[in-house]
Amino acid sequence: GQQVMQIPQYQHVQEGEDFTTYCNSSTTLSNIQWYKQRPGGHPVFLIQLVKSGEVKKQKRLTFQFGEAKKNSSLHITATQTTDVGTYFCANAGGTSYGKLTFGQGTILTVHP
Amino acid sequence: ETGVTQSPTHLIKTRGQQVTLRCSSQSGHNTVSWYQQALGQGPQFIFQYYREEENGRGNFPPRFSGLQFPNYSSELNVNALELDDSALYLCASSLKATQETQYFGPGTRLLVL
Repeated sequence: GQQVMQIPQYQHVQEGEDFTTYCNSSTTLSNIQWYKQRPGGHPVFLIQLVKSGEVKKQKRLTFQFGEAKKNSSLHITATQTTDVGTYFCANAGGTSYGKLTFGQGTILTVHP
Repeated sequence: ETGVTQSPTHLIKTRGQQVTLRCSSQSGHNTVSWYQQALGQGPQFIFQYYREEENGRGNFPPRFSGLQFPNYSSELNVNALELDDSALYLCASSLKATQETQYFGPGTRLLVL
């Protein structure tokens, strides 16, 4: 997959505040996936975006894929303590097999 | 839960030793990928096995090797362990080799002393 850069590295919020993490690539991505990893856990698949300008929602989570398919974002509205964890974007592309290339992740902490 | 299982959950080895990690894929999945996740980093692709053959490899030396069995379970073997091999090793299964959605197991935490 193509390399993806993720920002910010860390985000500390008060419970109830919103949170956004961004994923950027210098090349056009065929798709973008988002994963959540709880502390001490393993990555859990959240969603995959494949279409230019695609927006998908899961309850308080909103995922966007840029028009140029070079960036993506994950936005959480009104964070809760259960949202704590590391959020990764990943790209599966550039090979004939499903190799995932992960971003560095954004560590989210939520203060009650 | 994804249905992907890994064993052991934790392991401590010393430098120079060899280790074997095991993974059982989700029912019906014929493809297994292995990833290494160092502390504070995203997972890094090691290799993928499809129908008992290595189907793709990341930037890891030959001392990282694998196997896939007829029931699609898989092993990751690491020889001549180095301190930097300390990491969480994740196995992910998918329905087919080209499918992009992968389901991760809980991982094996390896500490090399």
